Amino acid sequence: GAGVSQTPSNKVTEKGKYVELRCDPISGHTALYWYRQSLGQGPEFLIYFQGTGAADDSGLPNDRFFAVRPEGSVSTLKIQRTERGDSAVYLCASSLTWENEQFFGPGTRLTVL
Amino acid sequence: RKEVEQDPGPFNVPEGATVAFNCTYSNSASQSFFWYRQDCRKEPKLLMSVYSSGNEDGRFTAQLNRASQYISLLIRDSKLSDSATYLCVARAAGNKLTFGGGTRVLVKP
Repeated sequence: GAGVSQTPSNKVTEKGKYVELRCDPISGHTALYWYRQSLGQGPEFLIYFQGTGAADDSGLPNDRFFAVRPEGSVSTLKIQRTERGDSAVYLCASSLTWENEQFFGPGTRLTVL
Repeated sequence: RKEVEQDPGPFNVPEGATVAFNCTYSNSASQSFFWYRQDCRKEPKLLMSVYSSGNEDGRFTAQLNRASQYISLLIRDSKLSDSATYLCVARAAGNKLTFGGGTRVLVKP
């Protein structure tokens, strides 16, 4: 079946701009996660949704980052006033429930010039 | 200090040889542990869970030592296709995964 999909696959933007990154989880998965991976590092947790609500947003680095999942399926990660340090691969994962294996999408590579 | 630490490598391994590497974790509240595999410019994929009793999946053996707070992965009879970055992962309460920086393994003919 279809895995986790993310769009766009690549995004180049200028410092100060606003970006939105989209994640389509595996159908039926109630839990959705966002991670960020910088070059040479492991993924770093950002936020976790159970259904429509953010169950844990402790990894969001500051208030420029925000994520929503209004219908409990697709999620959007929003970054305001982008900075060069935001450049990374943003990974989305989903799992059937919070206890189950997380399946990762291919990521969105964000470059802030 | 990072919560999960790994030797970044690379570990250069002759094809057919055995390679082993560890990671250490600092959060004693961590409850579950995993090894993920990540190929270059691809997403991480679960390789195996890690149990205190030790567990094996084909050529891969994982071990957890809670007293010393380290996790190990051993790969026997290495294949060229085993070349990848291996990510050590700890999970505390909930389902938030904490990743190490990864250990790069290069299997050469």
